[in-house]
Amino acid sequence: AQKVTQAQTEISVVEKEDVTLDCVYETRDTTYYLFWYKQPPSGELVFLIRRNSFDEQNEISGRYSWNFQKSTSSFNFTITASQVVDSAVYFCALSSDSGGYQKVTFGTGTKLQVIP
Amino acid sequence: DAGVIQSPRHEVTEMGQEVTLRCKPISGHDYLFWYRQTMMRGLELLIYFNNNVPIDDSGMPEDRFSAKMPNASFSTLKIQPSEPRDSAVYFCASSYLTSGGPNEQFFGPGTRLTVL
Repeated sequence: AQKVTQAQTEISVVEKEDVTLDCVYETRDTTYYLFWYKQPPSGELVFLIRRNSFDEQNEISGRYSWNFQKSTSSFNFTITASQVVDSAVYFCALSSDSGGYQKVTFGTGTKLQVIP
Repeated sequence: DAGVIQSPRHEVTEMGQEVTLRCKPISGHDYLFWYRQTMMRGLELLIYFNNNVPIDDSGMPEDRFSAKMPNASFSTLKIQPSEPRDSAVYFCASSYLTSGGPNEQFFGPGTRLTVL
């Protein structure tokens, strides 16, 4: 069975602060994929990143960065210099071989509020 | 491309009525997913199709729910009879196969269903 835990239900930060969203996953498979999606107030989920289990390199995309650590089964997401437009619910997700690669398990989401 | 199209965007119905939700995936995508999102249960995968064939319907809550994909450009999710606990936002998503594992899913805007 696969599981994704996002322990932070809601986070509030003041604009320009850095914020890290935690994600811990569970799977018995050695090959798996991790994702982050953003759900802004408009409601539509938007893909942010995909990472496979064999690539532990951290990734940076503008103000966004992701830290993948297999040793702790974590795939954390950091927003640097947060902006009001970053306010959204962020979902971490997992798919693996035993679950059927196309079958993605989502975490419960972290609601981020950036205060101007 | 117009993205994933869902209709209606909002549906209000009375308990016991039949509800049909519609989805048009992105052209060329060979995977289609139906999700349900509620505050209590988060984002749940109900069923997904590959090349119009249902692959995994283990998330369909009960026999009142059924989904079809008669062709590559159209899918329906039907609830009959509807119950108040079916009130949720229903998302359709599509994706395509790559040699590098599961690809990102493209989500529609969702249908907000309210069953009175």
